[in-house]
Amino acid sequence: GEDVEQSLFLSVREGDSSVINCTYTDSSSTYLYWYKQEPGAGLQLLTYIFSNMDMKQDQRLTVLLNKKDKHLSLRIADTQTGDSAIYFCAESDALGFQKLVFGTGTRLLVSP
Amino acid sequence: DGGITQSPKYLFRKEGQNVTLSCEQNLNHDAMYWYRQDPGQGLRLIYYSQIVNDFQKGDIAEGYSVSREKKESFPLTVTSAQKNPTAFYLCASSTLDSNTEAFFGQGTRLTVV
Repeated sequence: GEDVEQSLFLSVREGDSSVINCTYTDSSSTYLYWYKQEPGAGLQLLTYIFSNMDMKQDQRLTVLLNKKDKHLSLRIADTQTGDSAIYFCAESDALGFQKLVFGTGTRLLVSP
Repeated sequence: DGGITQSPKYLFRKEGQNVTLSCEQNLNHDAMYWYRQDPGQGLRLIYYSQIVNDFQKGDIAEGYSVSREKKESFPLTVTSAQKNPTAFYLCASSTLDSNTEAFFGQGTRLTVV
């Protein structure tokens, strides 16, 4: 079955860049997503990338996709304390229906 | 405002009791989903529904039941058969297009004592 893996924890200082990594096993993945979850809250979509893309940039966020290695990363530039949250990688191979497979989540802690 | 609403935010129940978690959306989405979140395990799919009066089991459906009598509502019942029900439950909805995002509710934290 599909499997999505992430490291559990990342700690950075405010102003540094953060890089959160994700690996997945399903080669038929169509879309790959990054969601953010703040404490006690639901998930908020940050960005997504289609599987035929290598990179997507959206303000402070850069997503890199290495389809050969099935590796996805999220880079947050100039990380702020408000970026502290859990970040989930997710993939979908849906055609006309979205059923997401989530990673375990990476807890990002940004210290002043 | 359009969105997806889960209630209650916190729920306490005694062991052996069934409990129903509410999920309502006014986004006119066809698809709705229930996920369970446990620490260090990410989100796991319990049930999903693509159309009224139809739903499918996800990866961990045992001990849970759902209904989809209305497009906007997808309640989840945690039955006494669920061996470890204490968790954070998230409801989501989406259109049936493949390139749209799933919108999540704020979650319900269920504690069984």
